[in-house]
Amino acid sequence: DAGVIQSPRHEVTEMGQEVTLRCKPISGHNSLFWYRQTMMRGLELLIYFNNNVPIDDSGMPEDRFSAKMPNASFSTLKIQPSEPRDSAVYFCASGRGGSYEQYFGPGTRLTVT
Amino acid sequence: RKEVEQDPGPFNVPEGATVAFNCTYSNSASQSFFWYRQDCRKEPKLLMSVYSSGNEDGRFTAQLNRASQYISLLIRDSKLSDSATYLCVVNNGDSWGKFQFGAGTQVVVTP
Repeated sequence: DAGVIQSPRHEVTEMGQEVTLRCKPISGHNSLFWYRQTMMRGLELLIYFNNNVPIDDSGMPEDRFSAKMPNASFSTLKIQPSEPRDSAVYFCASGRGGSYEQYFGPGTRLTVT
Repeated sequence: RKEVEQDPGPFNVPEGATVAFNCTYSNSASQSFFWYRQDCRKEPKLLMSVYSSGNEDGRFTAQLNRASQYISLLIRDSKLSDSATYLCVVNNGDSWGKFQFGAGTQVVVTP
């Protein structure tokens, strides 16, 4: 079975550029989570969706970040404009409603220079 | 104060030995607790849930102490493959999907 798929796996971009991260959850899962992991702050929840609807976005750092889930099999996290402090590993995770287990994708390692 | 705190370690453990470590949480309303495992440069994976009565999965035992607001993980008969970072995860129940992750405890099992 395919797990959570994220693309790209690595992204290097210059400050000020727009960055779009993509996620395909596991088929049949109706919850999707975006996390950011850094050495300084650990793993932080940015936003999560249930049945394609954003439920809690209180972890989104600022207006430069936006996330969408247009359908059950696709989500994007966009940063515009990007800044060096956005450099981190961004994980997408999915799960079944009612279950607490989350399945993480391999992550996107973002470097903003 | 962080909502979920862990000793970062590393805990250096000889192969075959037992290692245990705790995680404290600040929100007394927290309802669900988990241990995840993360290998270097990999994604986190669920190791086990932590139940009020404590639970065991093979060589791994998890316990919850609500009075003192901590959970623990014990690994018996450590294997080299147990080397990883163990993340404590807490959900306080007011928002189903809002999981708080600890920074992790690193365990290094040596031959």
